[in-house]
Amino acid sequence: KNEVEQSPQNLTAQEGEFITINCSYSVGISALHWLQQHPGGGIVSLFMLSSGKKKHGRLIATINIQEKHSSLHITASHPRDSAVYICAVREGETSGSRLTFGEGTQLTVNP
Amino acid sequence: EAGVTQSPTHLIKTRGQQATLRCSPISGHTSVYWYQQALGLGLQFLLWYDEGEERNRGNFPPRFSGRQFPNYSSELNVNALELEDSALYLCASSIQGYSNQPQHFGDGTRLSIL
Repeated sequence: KNEVEQSPQNLTAQEGEFITINCSYSVGISALHWLQQHPGGGIVSLFMLSSGKKKHGRLIATINIQEKHSSLHITASHPRDSAVYICAVREGETSGSRLTFGEGTQLTVNP
Repeated sequence: EAGVTQSPTHLIKTRGQQATLRCSPISGHTSVYWYQQALGLGLQFLLWYDEGEERNRGNFPPRFSGRQFPNYSSELNVNALELEDSALYLCASSIQGYSNQPQHFGDGTRLSIL
């Protein structure tokens, strides 16, 4: 069992739809990252959170530490949101600052 | 502010050769992280350098090594290249390795082994 699991693996949506990507983890963490990777390979850090909820534009990230679960929501999705979304957790201080990654969710938003 | 820069963008080598990948962190960042993303696989942690020293290492053989220079830039060296080393290698940097700071990623170096 992977330490970080994402669902779904693939997601196809129509422009304008509300999208949710889920991330569950099995280890104690100090922070959780949501990353976006475009086809060229470059990665953009969307959020880093350790509790509660963060919002940036049409993106919202939530985390429930007790349930070891996080969600990334995209409101009013757009074709330019098409990318791979990756959840990564930063474990406790004994592991330094290494990140452990989920497998990613391939999102395709059709016009 | 310039982001994390990696060079080269693409690198083609043959089995048994050695590859050197370079990373320049964001100005003011002292920590540099290296990750491997092999085709069809998720990102895997490789190495973490902070203040010139190797602080943590992922589950990779010793032929993967690196260093961090006084200006905080970093090199990743892969010796005795194998076909399975073909991957996208990503570098990230952050302000301090031990505190909860976000990591900023470069665009990666795509290493192809023929």
